[in-house]
Amino acid sequence: EDKVVQSPLSLVVHEGDTVTLNCSYEVTNFRSLLWYKQEKKAPTFLFMLTSSGIEKKSGRLSSILDKKELSSILNITATQTGDSAIYLCAVANTGTASKLTFGTGTRLQVTL
Amino acid sequence: DTGVSQDPRHKITKRGQNVTFRCDPISEHNRLYWYRQTLGQGPEFLTYFQNEAQLEKSRLLSDRFSAERPKGSFSTLEIQRTEQGDSAMYLCASSLGTGLFNGYTFGSGTRLTVV
Repeated sequence: EDKVVQSPLSLVVHEGDTVTLNCSYEVTNFRSLLWYKQEKKAPTFLFMLTSSGIEKKSGRLSSILDKKELSSILNITATQTGDSAIYLCAVANTGTASKLTFGTGTRLQVTL
Repeated sequence: DTGVSQDPRHKITKRGQNVTFRCDPISEHNRLYWYRQTLGQGPEFLTYFQNEAQLEKSRLLSDRFSAERPKGSFSTLEIQRTEQGDSAMYLCASSLGTGLFNGYTFGSGTRLTVV
């Protein structure tokens, strides 16, 4: 059974800090790893990673995959209060359903 | 149609009652997924449709749960004889193809409380 573990479970930082969120996975036939941000209801897509070592960036957020270590990190620089959310990591296997297996998420709180 | 719509947003029901949720995906998306999320957990896969065909169901989906997607458009998820353990957020997502280029688009969910 596919498995995703995220750490830390929760994190409180001050505005302007840089944070690193971790995701490790076990999946039978890996296709991709995805990061989502969940604020109140719907998870919103951040990144999809398939190739090891290639960094994806969007503004202050970046992510990289290490297929050898079966892990990924999500970095947020110069955090803002609007970054407060649950960050979910998910993996997709090569099955036709393309279903995602999610971790429990990291709850990030950014304070003033 | 700019997103995935789910209805209702909240549902409170008594144990033993039947409930039905609706999901309207993005119109051109051929794949539709149902996930369930309980407090403090990530979403868990329940089932998926490609067009009108239900192609995979999780073993989490007991025989009290049934999902349909008539004509490959909207989908419904029905839970019969609800139990307190069914209390959760039910999320619908849709994608064009595998959705693995830009992720699925999730709806805002239906929060079910069974009392």
